[in-house]
Amino acid sequence: TQLLEQSPQFLSIQEGENLTVYCNSSSVFSSLQWYRQEPGEGPVLLVTVVTGGEVKKLKRLTFQFGDARKDSSLHITAAQPGDTGLYLCAGEDGDYKLSFGAGTTVTVRA
Amino acid sequence: DAGITQSPRHKVTETGTPVTLRCHQTENHRYMYWYRQDPGHGLRLIHYSYGVKDTDKGEVSDGYSVSRSKTEDFLLTLESATSSQTSVYFCAIRGYSTDTQYFGPGTRLTVL
Repeated sequence: TQLLEQSPQFLSIQEGENLTVYCNSSSVFSSLQWYRQEPGEGPVLLVTVVTGGEVKKLKRLTFQFGDARKDSSLHITAAQPGDTGLYLCAGEDGDYKLSFGAGTTVTVRA
Repeated sequence: DAGITQSPRHKVTETGTPVTLRCHQTENHRYMYWYRQDPGHGLRLIHYSYGVKDTDKGEVSDGYSVSRSKTEDFLLTLESATSSQTSVYFCAIRGYSTDTQYFGPGTRLTVL
């Protein structure tokens, strides 16, 4: 059973459209991290959110941590083909261990 | 670049043989982790270490053992490999003063 539920599992959109990926859990985390992974490579950190209600922006990417620190969302504005990849959310517990969602595969068509 | 290397990067082995994967870091970080990644499961924690000779089990530890005799190296051993252990294995590190894990490039293991 996945501790973190990510949705949707797959997302295919046209260049220029917006998209949102959701990450939900019944557990409270000390922090939540978003990673992006390309085929044949390890996950690369995009952002870490720590405070409930926190919003962080990274160029066209907006990350939000829920007030109760159980859920998060990733919003991409005006998606580009370079945004294609596997997006993973992960929650960290008090023992510095991460629990990952199953991932969302995003495809941005030119 | 978080200074993490994994070796080998690819390995094909037969059922029943022992396999050891190595993770090496140059950051002197305290925490090190081994994960496996399978389709539909994201990454699942196998074992982790919070210091030299200090290790603990993760979510999917059955069939795996680890050792950490020095800060920079964390070894993952499959005593007798099975086909269900065919996977991509990732090592990660975390500094005590950071709230982030950084991942290595992965090892693709195939057990025939």
